[in-house]
Amino acid sequence: ETGVTQTPRHLVMGMTNKKSLKCEQHLGHNAMYWYKQSAKKPLELMFVYSLEERVENNSVPSRFSPECPNSSHLFLHLHTLQPEDSALYLCASSQDMTLYSGNTIYFGEGSWLTVV
Amino acid sequence: KNQVEQSPQSLIILEGKNCTLQCNYTVSPFSNLRWYKQDTGRGPVSLTIMTFSENTKSNGRYTATLDADTKQSSLHITASQLSDSASYICVVSVRSTTDSWGKLQFGAGTQVVVTP
Repeated sequence: ETGVTQTPRHLVMGMTNKKSLKCEQHLGHNAMYWYKQSAKKPLELMFVYSLEERVENNSVPSRFSPECPNSSHLFLHLHTLQPEDSALYLCASSQDMTLYSGNTIYFGEGSWLTVV
Repeated sequence: KNQVEQSPQSLIILEGKNCTLQCNYTVSPFSNLRWYKQDTGRGPVSLTIMTFSENTKSNGRYTATLDADTKQSSLHITASQLSDSASYICVVSVRSTTDSWGKLQFGAGTQVVVTP
């Protein structure tokens, strides 16, 4: 238990569906992240939020839409995805965004997404 | 080209034996280096984090070393157990001039399988 909870753990959706991934952290952290992990590839940063404000969007297609209603919750809304979007989506949090100082990032268990 | 290269890509070891995983990086300027363990189907969990001034750090049977001059790190697993079967990910923190918080560059991971 890392203090970061993701739901659902598994999701299968059609290319025309709309679904959402949810993340909640119980650590009192101020920064939250969405990462994508494809097989045998390094983790890819998608979005970064600090104190509920989006501070980074790494050229992610608009079919992925993040939402951060408060510092404990993070959503990833999914719409008209493609089969190549099938991957493990990881939510993470850290005390703040100063990663160069050595802040530990805590990851959730991930949401396995399959697009059919 | 990925700026964090890990080797080997995978390895199989007998329970009770030791093994060493390698990480070479080219990112600059370097802030810190982290090792994460990721069990199959789970999120990564932090093992160690080292700044450029540290050359070794231990966490139980895991010992990480860092040579900031040659930009190399290793993770040594002592007396391996079946529960050590996982992917081990090397992560380097970079502090760039365009953002003040730093970014993480991930390796693709080394898949370790411990057999009885």
